[in-house]
Amino acid sequence: SQQGEEDPQALSIQEGENATMNCSYKTSINNLQWYRQNSGRGLVHLILIRSNEREKHSGRLRVTLDTSKKSSSLLITASRAADTASYFCATDEGNKLVFGAGTILRVKS
Amino acid sequence: DAGVIQSPRHEVTEMGQEVTLRCKPISGHNSLFWYRQTMMRGLELLIYFNNNVPIDDSGMPEDRFSAKMPNASFSTLKIQPSEPRDSAVYFCASSFGTGVREQYFGPGTRLTVT
Repeated sequence: SQQGEEDPQALSIQEGENATMNCSYKTSINNLQWYRQNSGRGLVHLILIRSNEREKHSGRLRVTLDTSKKSSSLLITASRAADTASYFCATDEGNKLVFGAGTILRVKS
Repeated sequence: DAGVIQSPRHEVTEMGQEVTLRCKPISGHNSLFWYRQTMMRGLELLIYFNNNVPIDDSGMPEDRFSAKMPNASFSTLKIQPSEPRDSAVYFCASSFGTGVREQYFGPGTRLTVT
């Protein structure tokens, strides 16, 4: 079962622009995580935000969490061609992570 | 430090054959996860271990799939007999600590069953 659902499914932007991806989920959570997957590779953890946090930053990444709306967003500022990848949100369900279907981001140089 | 190591990276086999995928988690991590990724179903958790003990195998599709973790540094996922619908990328991931924490993924094994 997929707890998180990302939106949009695909996003194409120019290098230097900002990219925003959204994630909605159904049940209450303890934390929400974002991962990146480059083509043909494993997933790489980007950031974890706890349910009592509203915003978190890591370099060019900014994650927000709205537990009342059961949604999160990932903002990548000043995008680079190397940011081209699939991005997944994952929420805790019991003692395991449940991943969404992902957003495919393409950054054109 | 070495990350999660998986072998083989690619496996092509014929329907009916036994397939064994291997994983070495990051040293010191106490949880290990096996996932399957396909275009149709996305990323699915098959089974996870904590301190070498299987905790939740509800994602294992059927009895043809089995997983073991004989020690803290090694795990296997076996499919016997394999079928074409098992074709997918299989990932192993590990994490440290209690509760749901960040997971570190291996490079995956791309399995093709003809």
